[in-house]
Amino acid sequence: GDSVTQMEGPVTLSEEAFLTINCTYTATGYPSLFWYVQYPGEGLQLLLKATKADDKGSNKGFEATYRKETTSFHLEKGSVQVSDSAVYFCALSDQVNTGFQKLVFGTGTRLLVSP
Amino acid sequence: NAGVMQNPRHLVRRRGQEARLRCSPMKGHSHVYWYRQLPEEGLKFMVYLQKENIIDESGMPKERFSAEFPKEGPSILRIQQVVRGDSAAYFCASSPRDGLRNEQFFGPGTRLTVL
Repeated sequence: GDSVTQMEGPVTLSEEAFLTINCTYTATGYPSLFWYVQYPGEGLQLLLKATKADDKGSNKGFEATYRKETTSFHLEKGSVQVSDSAVYFCALSDQVNTGFQKLVFGTGTRLLVSP
Repeated sequence: NAGVMQNPRHLVRRRGQEARLRCSPMKGHSHVYWYRQLPEEGLKFMVYLQKENIIDESGMPKERFSAEFPKEGPSILRIQQVVRGDSAAYFCASSPRDGLRNEQFFGPGTRLTVL
């Protein structure tokens, strides 16, 4: 079945450092790809998405490019802030095969940014 | 517009008891999805419901688990005769319609602990 693999955390960075969180996927079809963020005590929030190969999703300084050749969707940010500390989840949805938007998640990567 | 509400936020049950988890979707949302996050794992899809209908329950354990979304009131995830392996965080999400253009908005989750 479809699956998502993302790098284990925690990822610890200093403020203004460059961030990369790796995400790769396995899918039989042509899924849409997502990054969700979860701040402490809150639900998951959609951060960005891409629906087809070579699409770039971007939001709040974060970006990720749908790479079909490497089945990857790595999350990047040029300069992180303390307020970016959270857990980040990579996910996919293959609605053509499942019939509805069934999200398949990775295990999450915790990001800790220190001042 | 209030977000997706889940209650209780924390629930402790002894083995053999019943657990009832409630999810109130955002106003105007008639689609609800339940996900479970076991320790050290990603969120896994359980069930997708529309008002008064279960659309897909392929992720639900065959026994002891049931879900409903009545015409009035919250969606309920019910676990009968809980076991220690049911300890997890249970998240629900809602959307106005299904499909890629309709973001799933997540609640803060209910953390179930089975003693």
